[in-house]
Amino acid sequence: DTAVSQTPKYLVTQMGNDKSIKCEQNLGHDTMYWYKQDSKKFLKIMFSYNNKELIINETVPNRFSPKSPDKAHLNLHINSLELGDSAVYFCASSPRGRGLNTEAFFGQGTRLTVV
Amino acid sequence: SQKIEQNSEALNIQEGKTATLTCNYTNYSPAYLQWYRQDPGRGPVFLLLIRENEKEKRKERLKVTFDTTLKQSLFHITASQPADSATYLCALPDSGAGSYQLTFGKGTKLSVIP
Repeated sequence: DTAVSQTPKYLVTQMGNDKSIKCEQNLGHDTMYWYKQDSKKFLKIMFSYNNKELIINETVPNRFSPKSPDKAHLNLHINSLELGDSAVYFCASSPRGRGLNTEAFFGQGTRLTVV
Repeated sequence: SQKIEQNSEALNIQEGKTATLTCNYTNYSPAYLQWYRQDPGRGPVFLLLIRENEKEKRKERLKVTFDTTLKQSLFHITASQPADSATYLCALPDSGAGSYQLTFGKGTKLSVIP
């Protein structure tokens, strides 16, 4: 009965590879997000996706792309992985859209290590 | 976008005392502010939300205040317990990208010593 689930929990891969992280939420939420938490534990928004509207943080390289096959899923695809991409990636969801107070529900995180 | 500062990276406190954590923001006044708890190896967990027209919010041993004049929120844990040890994050909506997208502070790691 996990609310927001991500797979895999750990991902070790070589530089230059392409990888995906899957995220699913069973809460019926309208909005989903991807956050990156670096080695200094700073949690930074990468994308938010609401009703087919994608908002991209301007600092995110275009090697990163979210894909939403349906409202319950927002997968993260990363092309040409670099050492600096090593971090913990969190998927999250929230029940409402723009302009309303809402809390975010987070997955358990995916620790990506690029070697 | 919003700039958020949490007063210290780490805070040690004796069991039974009240822990007070500070969150300051520097730009526009948000419609609301949230506090989260994060344990090692886990995702953040929502604790409390306080709106701009609310001065104070309570939930069990937790209390949050919101002072829009000072641009500050205080997060209190009364009668602290070792199980309260975690990193606490404050979060505000990022109006630059849509008010449902949150910007997080760097967090304060609280250690409650028995």
